[in-house]
Amino acid sequence: KAGVTQTPRYLIKTRGQQVTLSCSPISGHRSVSWYQQTPGQGLQFLFEYFSETQRNKGNFPGRFSGRQFSNSRSEMNVSTLELGDSALYLCASSFGSGGPHEQYFGPGTRLTVT
Amino acid sequence: AQSVTQPDIHITVSEGASLELRCNYSYGATPYLFWYVQSPGQGLQLLLKYFSGDTLVQGIKGFEAEFKRSQSSFNLRKPSVHWSDAAEYFCAVGLTGNQFYFGTGTSLTVIP
Repeated sequence: KAGVTQTPRYLIKTRGQQVTLSCSPISGHRSVSWYQQTPGQGLQFLFEYFSETQRNKGNFPGRFSGRQFSNSRSEMNVSTLELGDSALYLCASSFGSGGPHEQYFGPGTRLTVT
Repeated sequence: AQSVTQPDIHITVSEGASLELRCNYSYGATPYLFWYVQSPGQGLQLLLKYFSGDTLVQGIKGFEAEFKRSQSSFNLRKPSVHWSDAAEYFCAVGLTGNQFYFGTGTSLTVIP
């Protein structure tokens, strides 16, 4: 089975721009979660989608948004980028509706904002 | 509020020595606890998890962890460390709906 894939792997954007990151979960997984990883803060939960519905949301501003498609693929969007948004963005997928279930992580997208 | 604390930012051990990584959590109900490992340039990989039952859980790569409710701890241990264990280790509390709270991680260096 193919693992979780994230595209692109690396991204450089300018302050004020917006960016869209993509995540393809493991086949059969219906839950997709997004995390922001920075050296000082560790991994912080952004949001989780299950069957195209956002079930949970972390404590991030509204500039961070996401969606999930009927094939469980998910996208994350960050508008009006700030320097502090530079981070590794990790996507994780899991199977099942209740949870918590084991999360399978992708390699991440490294976003640099200049 | 839920939180996870990993008090050791960085640990250095000699190859073959034993290892213990500390994790303390704050959570009102019975927690679902996890340990993940992240190697450089890689995503996170699950080492082990605790949901209920036996408080000593075994994981992959020879790791084990012990849940101690009275101390709100879930420390990770390995009797003999290998050079390939050098990585970042994260403890996490999982909630229903797959919402996870992670600690800030412990970076492990293994010296020959």
